[in-house]
Amino acid sequence: DIVLTQSPATLSVTPGESVSLSCRASQGISTSIHWYQQKSNESPRLLIKYASQSISGIPSRFSGSGSGTDFTLSINRVESEDFSVYYCQQSYSLPRTFGGGTKLELK
Amino acid sequence: EIQLQESGPGLVKPSQSLSLTCSVTGYTITSGYDWSWIRKFPGNKMEWMGYISYSGSTNYNPSLKSRISITRDTSKNQFFLQLNSVTTEDTATYYCAGVTRYVMDAWGQGASVTVSS
Repeated sequence: DIVLTQSPATLSVTPGESVSLSCRASQGISTSIHWYQQKSNESPRLLIKYASQSISGIPSRFSGSGSGTDFTLSINRVESEDFSVYYCQQSYSLPRTFGGGTKLELK
Repeated sequence: EIQLQESGPGLVKPSQSLSLTCSVTGYTITSGYDWSWIRKFPGNKMEWMGYISYSGSTNYNPSLKSRISITRDTSKNQFFLQLNSVTTEDTATYYCAGVTRYVMDAWGQGASVTVSS
């Protein structure tokens, strides 16, 4: 199985800061990585697909980059509604796997 | 707009079977999506359990071995999860999701299931 390692586990920031969340794959997966946001008591929401492709309805402050084994989700100027947990997930091979998540919290 | 909704018992006894239904509206499940089950354990770990394709083929996570079955009822536009011989380690929130081009872009609201005697 492909292991996805997200870092950091927790990121404490103040609104207005810009942040980068990391996802590293245990083997090369091209750009077959997707990012989800999960707020408390809600279902996950797709933010970015295939490493860098934007999703309709998602604010432009969210962007993704990377290929191979290293991927980054960037949030430009964090807003209060962004405090939640972020997951990466690979679709390169079966079984699909998720990273352990990064919790973005208010400093 | 595709909408998914999970339903089923919130409490299951150890060694019994867990059964959940995912009802899909806004899209016909035979039209082109794949339909997955994912669960989130206490502590945030997420696990993909398996899927049934729009054509009816299935694929399961080997970690669940022979305990899992995903089926569907096309007349009701529903698909189902059955997980046998559950233990307390199967306590989780279970999500159904629609998958297009390998991306999980439509999710249900989740069903919390506790395994306890």
